[in-house]
Amino acid sequence: DSGVTQTPKHLITATGQRVTLRCSPRSGDLSVYWYQQSLDQGLQFLIQYYNGEERAKGNILERFSAQQFPDLHSELNLSSLELGDSALYFCASSVDIGDYEQYFGPGTRLTVT
Amino acid sequence: AQKVTQAQTEISVVEKEDVTLDCVYETRDTTYYLFWYKQPPSGELVFLIRRNSFDEQNEISGRYSWNFQKSTSSFNFTITASQVVDSAVYFCALSPYFGNEKLTFGTGTRLTIIP
Repeated sequence: DSGVTQTPKHLITATGQRVTLRCSPRSGDLSVYWYQQSLDQGLQFLIQYYNGEERAKGNILERFSAQQFPDLHSELNLSSLELGDSALYFCASSVDIGDYEQYFGPGTRLTVT
Repeated sequence: AQKVTQAQTEISVVEKEDVTLDCVYETRDTTYYLFWYKQPPSGELVFLIRRNSFDEQNEISGRYSWNFQKSTSSFNFTITASQVVDSAVYFCALSPYFGNEKLTFGTGTRLTIIP
């Protein structure tokens, strides 16, 4: 158990809908990362937050957004969902930025039908 | 741009055999980090090792060992005396040393240990 929690574990929704994925980092970790794992694209970095501020952006679609709250948990919002958004979404956290390992949560499996 | 190549898509070995998973990377950064993660059938990503580009010493942890060769841009992972529990997908990843901490992952190698 990495100490990173993600809810829900599974999510099934229809095209065009909007969902919110939640991540609680390990206690004391300030940085949160979101990754998407799909059959087509593999494991891809989406976005990083550090202590409430967006720090880095990767291949995140405009339909997706994220935020990190004062208690350091993070949410990833996916809207206007398409079949191709079906994937495993991972959250990771690290103590700080730079010289630290990223520990991953168990992931949220999103299925868009 | 950063890139990680894991040319071995799938490997199967008989239990107790040694197996090496290859990882080749590309980066313009002079300093960077390399990682290995394990993804067992349950789906979570388990951190195995982080190595910075300053340190080319090989590392051993139990049955696991890692060979980092900057000259060939490779960071290979060897499992000695493989066990069925080692069956998983293994990902090699790369990140810059400073600034953008995003991990760039390879496509993974699916390792199956045959009892």
